[in-house]
Amino acid sequence: GESVGLHLPTLSVQEGDNSIINCAYSNSASDYFIWYKQESGKGPQFIIDIRSNMDKRQGQRVTVLLNKTVKHLSLQIAATQPGDSAVYFCAENSFSGGYQKVTFGTGTKLQVIP
Amino acid sequence: DAGVIQSPRHEVTEMGQEVTLRCKPISGHDYLFWYRQTMMRGLELLIYFNNNVPIDDSGMPEDRFSAKMPNASFSTLKIQPSEPRDSAVYFCASSLGRENTGELFFGEGSRLTVL
Repeated sequence: GESVGLHLPTLSVQEGDNSIINCAYSNSASDYFIWYKQESGKGPQFIIDIRSNMDKRQGQRVTVLLNKTVKHLSLQIAATQPGDSAVYFCAENSFSGGYQKVTFGTGTKLQVIP
Repeated sequence: DAGVIQSPRHEVTEMGQEVTLRCKPISGHDYLFWYRQTMMRGLELLIYFNNNVPIDDSGMPEDRFSAKMPNASFSTLKIQPSEPRDSAVYFCASSLGRENTGELFFGEGSRLTVL
């Protein structure tokens, strides 16, 4: 078995507060950046994406910010709810040779305190 | 559509045995991805297909791993022989590639334990 695990950063937030989850990406040539949510025992689920030529995009209770200068992506969740507790991954979609390729970051665990 | 369907959900096997994981993508999707998730390395892209053709298998760890997509509705990931370090959750995902932003639809995963 594995004796050393990947240490997932954990963010603990009080219910009703706003959450900000951060991600650093590596490929400045990526066309889209995406946020996924993974609940325990399930596969990752798409939340929101942003095109590389945009700085901000809003969805329902979520906002994604992209700072290409420092290669930084963030996900803001408004009025965090217990159902938001999960691991959140940022991902990059790059097109190479006409094909899309989606790679994932390490993830952040969000714990919502009731 | 029922979504991406993976089988088996759980498999426990002994070192040296052959393991075959199966995936049925969403009908009409032209991309299929295989990922492996472990605590050590997170979510790793192993291989992906476009229109049943393997595009990039650079993430496949060793020759013990192979993947096929004989038709648009079925793919397999095979490990032969399996080793304890292959223990992980293996995810299959599909997407509609044309102008896709990176929205993948994942199955619920196959949890593999190699003793």
